[in-house]
Amino acid sequence: DSGVTQTPKHLITATGQRVTLRCSPRSGDLSVYWYQQSLDQGLQFLIQYYNGEERAKGNILERFSAQQFPDLHSELNLSSLELGDSALYFCASSAGKTNQPQHFGDGTRLSIL
Amino acid sequence: AQSVAQPEDQVNVAEGNPLTVKCTYSVSGNPYLFWYVQYPNRGLQFLLKYITGDNLVKGSYGFEAEFNKSQTSFHLKKPSALVSDSALYFCAVRVPNFGNEKLTFGTGTRLTIIP
Repeated sequence: DSGVTQTPKHLITATGQRVTLRCSPRSGDLSVYWYQQSLDQGLQFLIQYYNGEERAKGNILERFSAQQFPDLHSELNLSSLELGDSALYFCASSAGKTNQPQHFGDGTRLSIL
Repeated sequence: AQSVAQPEDQVNVAEGNPLTVKCTYSVSGNPYLFWYVQYPNRGLQFLLKYITGDNLVKGSYGFEAEFNKSQTSFHLKKPSALVSDSALYFCAVRVPNFGNEKLTFGTGTRLTIIP
């Protein structure tokens, strides 16, 4: 058990809809990262937050947004969903130091019908 | 830009034999290198990392990896494979950069251990 909790585990919705994915980091970790895993794109970094502030952005679409709350949990919001957004979305957390590994949750599987 | 290559999509090894999963990287500067394993319907599990120092690093479940700067490689190894090692393995790289700790992953190698 990595200590990172993601909910829900599965999400099925339709095109054009909006969903929110939630992540609770390991106790004591200040950094939260979001990744997308798909068959054609592999594992892609989306965005990082550190102690409530956005720290780095990757290949995140404008339709997607995230935030980290004062209790350090994070949410990833996906809107105007398209079929191509179907993927596994992972959250990871770390202490925030560059030499520390990131620890991953079990992911949310998003299926767009 | 940083990148990672895992040249083999699939590696098959007989149980009890040594295994190697290959990884090469490209970065500007000194890399931090990581190996992760993913079991079905699970997240990525950290195996080991190279930050600095000894080129041979040991990790979980008997795995080790050798950092080779001249060949820009970080191959994952295990002396004797177990059936339970069958999984998807990812190599990842990060450049020390305060403010951006994103990991860049390879495409993954599916390791199958044959009983």
